[in-house]
Order: sequence, then structure tokens, then C-alpha cells
Amino acid sequence: QSVLTQPPSVSGAPGQRVTISCTGSSSNIGAGYDVHWYQQLPGTAPRLLIYGNSNRPSGVPDRFSGSKSGTSASLAITGLQAEDEADYYCQSYDSSLSGSRVFGGGTKLTVL
Amino acid sequence: EVQLVQSGAEVKKPGESLKISCKGSGYSFTNYWIGWVRQMPGKGLEWMGIIYPGDSDTRYSPSFQGQVTISADKSISTAYLQWSSLKASDTAMYYCVSQNYYYGSGTYEYYFDYWGQGTLVTVSS
Repeated sequence: QSVLTQPPSVSGAPGQRVTISCTGSSSNIGAGYDVHWYQQLPGTAPRLLIYGNSNRPSGVPDRFSGSKSGTSASLAITGLQAEDEADYYCQSYDSSLSGSRVFGGGTKLTVL
Repeated sequence: EVQLVQSGAEVKKPGESLKISCKGSGYSFTNYWIGWVRQMPGKGLEWMGIIYPGDSDTRYSPSFQGQVTISADKSISTAYLQWSSLKASDTAMYYCVSQNYYYGSGTYEYYFDYWGQGTLVTVSS
């Protein structure tokens, strides 16, 4: 079981908006630690998508956005495109696990 | 351009030892933490541990403490992940990552801004 909980799968049609949730606890997101998101396209290494809850590295389209509230965070993708079909992972820090960086279990996004 | 280039795929037998590598370029290797992430077949990402090449300060996830050893040779900008006795359950893709950080709301925040291409380790008799 991952420390951060994500839905196993989400789906949406091209052009639609989808959101992926990441739920933590009082020792990670709820303790105020930021959330970062990664995209893993099929057969490739993950890449950084969002850092610091809502910041996009250069090269990431503004269709991707992130937010955080309480013990949860969300990744939103608007104007869904076929190329967005991938696995998405959230990551934070957990103070109860001896300096551990922790990941969510991952969410498979299917573009219908 | 920042690059992390990992060593090639490995096929090993249970009980054998192994050391895989990750060479960094395009940035000051000594001044950034570099870590390892495991992805078992069909599964998610797991943070294993991290090392600061400047002074070899190393931190491990509790799940991997004692199971692997992380090291670095700053003279050749290379980090390593090694096993002394592999098990079938070590079969996985292993990614090296560079860790960036910033000072957030009263604490340092860490994220992984660059990833290696991955090294597939297969352990089978």
C-alpha cells in the first residue's frame, strides 16, 4: 500500500477535462509538505510535470495544472489529447518515515 | 543539457552480486543529491534512497535499508546502486534521479527534476 493514495484509473474523451487526486495524511501532505507530479508515457522513464503543488517546468503545456488543499492534492488536465495517455504519479515527503520521499500508487489515464 | 545516463540491462542469477551505474553530465554533479527509484513489473514508483556526491552523505528508505548500497564517485560524476546477493524479487526497472529542492513553508521540499533512462535488472535461475 502506498503512503499517498491515487485512483487506479481515470478516463476522458479528447478535449475534456480530467482530474487525478492524491490523498495523504497528517505526516505528509497534511503536515504542509508540497506535492509534485510525474508523467510516465508507455515504455519511457517518468518526467517531472508539476513541482511545488502548482508550478510547471519549462516545456510542460499549461493544460496541466496542480493544486493542494488540506491532506490532498489534485492534477488537472484540460483539453485532453491522445498523447496524454500515460501513468501519473504524485510525490511528497513523509516525516514519519525517516526522511522518506514517498510516491502515490499511480493513476492510469485513458483517452477514450 | 542535464543528462543522467545509466548502465545497460542486466540478467543475473539469485545470489549473485550486481552494481549498476548512473553518470551525470551538464550540471555540477557534486552539488546535487542523486537517488534511485524502483519500478517493479507493472507496478508503481518506489523511492529507494539518495546520496550527496559532495560528501557521500546517504539516506535510505526504511524499505530498502540494508538491502542495497548507494555510493558515488564524484571524480567521474557517477552514482551506483549495488546488491550483494540478488533475489528474484529484485527484478525491476531502476531509475536514477537528480533531486532538486527549494525552501517552502518552513521546510525544505524535494522533487526529482531529471531522470535516467532506466536499467532493467532481471534475476532468474
